[in-house]
Amino acid sequence: GAGVSQTPSNKVTEKGKYVELRCDPISGHTALYWYRQSLGQGPEFLIYFQGTGAADDSGLPNDRFFAVRPEGSVSTLKIQRTERGDSAVYLCASSLDGTATYEQYFGPGTRLTVT
Amino acid sequence: AQKITQTQPGMFVQEKEAVTLDCTYDTSDQSYGLFWYKQPSSGEMIFLIYQGSYDEQNATEGRYSLNFQKARKSANLVISASQLGDSAMYFCAMREGAPGETSGSRLTFGEGTQLTVNP
Repeated sequence: GAGVSQTPSNKVTEKGKYVELRCDPISGHTALYWYRQSLGQGPEFLIYFQGTGAADDSGLPNDRFFAVRPEGSVSTLKIQRTERGDSAVYLCASSLDGTATYEQYFGPGTRLTVT
Repeated sequence: AQKITQTQPGMFVQEKEAVTLDCTYDTSDQSYGLFWYKQPSSGEMIFLIYQGSYDEQNATEGRYSLNFQKARKSANLVISASQLGDSAMYFCAMREGAPGETSGSRLTFGEGTQLTVNP
């Protein structure tokens, strides 16, 4: 079946602008995660959804970052007033559920560049 | 707080030989899971292998095996019979929580090891 998809694959924006990044998880996966990967580093956790609700948003760096998953499937990560330090690859992952056993399947990522 | 350490920024191996990628972890939880992911230059994270903290046997998946030493808090990945397509970045990751628990669902990643397989 289809894997996790993310759009756009690349996004270039100017400092101060608003951006939205979309994630479409594997069908039937109730858990969805957002991570951010800076160059040369491992991914860092941002937020985890179980169904429609954010079960853990402790990784969001500040209040410019917000994510939603209104129908328990597609999720959108929203970044307001972008800064150059937000430049990174944003990875989305989904899992059958949020329990510790199941692996997370990652999408190809969105490369965000803030100029 | 959980932490993953990968001390090898880069590793080289000859095609068809075995290679071990090191991973140590730190956690105060008794229940946790350890994962290895491969990230080729295309950027996608590919799941390779999983080891639960209570699993008595080391996990194996094809050419991948996990050398799990709980007392030493290490979870090294062994790749046997290396292939040119194994050249990639490899990440060790951990999530806290027992099977069936949803708490601590996040993955914490190490900084990765860049593996190069030479012909």
